Amino acid sequence: DTGVSQDPRHKITKRGQNVTFRCDPISEHNRLYWYRQTLGQGPEFLTYFQNEAQLEKSRLLSDRFSAERPKGSFSTLEIQRTEQGDSAMYLCASSFGGGASPLHFGNGTRLTVT
Amino acid sequence: TQLLEQSPQFLSIQEGENLTVYCNSSSVFSSLQWYRQEPGEGPVLLVTVVTGGEVKKLKRLTFQFGDARKDSSLHITAAQPGDTGLYLCAGAPNAGNMLTFGGGTRLMVKP
Repeated sequence: DTGVSQDPRHKITKRGQNVTFRCDPISEHNRLYWYRQTLGQGPEFLTYFQNEAQLEKSRLLSDRFSAERPKGSFSTLEIQRTEQGDSAMYLCASSFGGGASPLHFGNGTRLTVT
Repeated sequence: TQLLEQSPQFLSIQEGENLTVYCNSSSVFSSLQWYRQEPGEGPVLLVTVVTGGEVKKLKRLTFQFGDARKDSSLHITAAQPGDTGLYLCAGAPNAGNMLTFGGGTRLMVKP
């Protein structure tokens, strides 16, 4: 078990372009989460999946953001028509169950929109 | 939305000093977790507390969950430069819910 992996580690894009990030969770974990973190702040919840079902989305998540977990394994997060305000670290985490179950985080994808 | 407030936001101390970080909310949590994050990496779990009044110790770190399950504290004894990092508390309002994170406390321990 190599933990949660995210790809790419860094992405620089121009405003208006679309970007897609990938997350591979720990294989036996049924829950997968996406968080966004800006410098010096705590992670902000975006969305989560239980198996392939997307159970919750943050109200802060605009229509330009979409996430999928097609087979209940890896997940993708796509941002369309990127804006400078989208620049942040995008963190993926997985867990077995919710509530008190610990989250295992990947090392994130740092997005810079120029 | 559950709001977790951490204080202080920043803390710079000398090696060997003690410190306490606080995590407060007006809401009740079924469980609360503490994570530590280093630059360029994801947060790593330190501890989970689930019972009001619970105290857990992890070497020089002592974690306490408030009796009413609305607040928590992290106390570090004899801080070392290796303790430097961003400390995050995160709470779940109900079992099965996703975690909400506080804004973090950035700790720097100078040798």
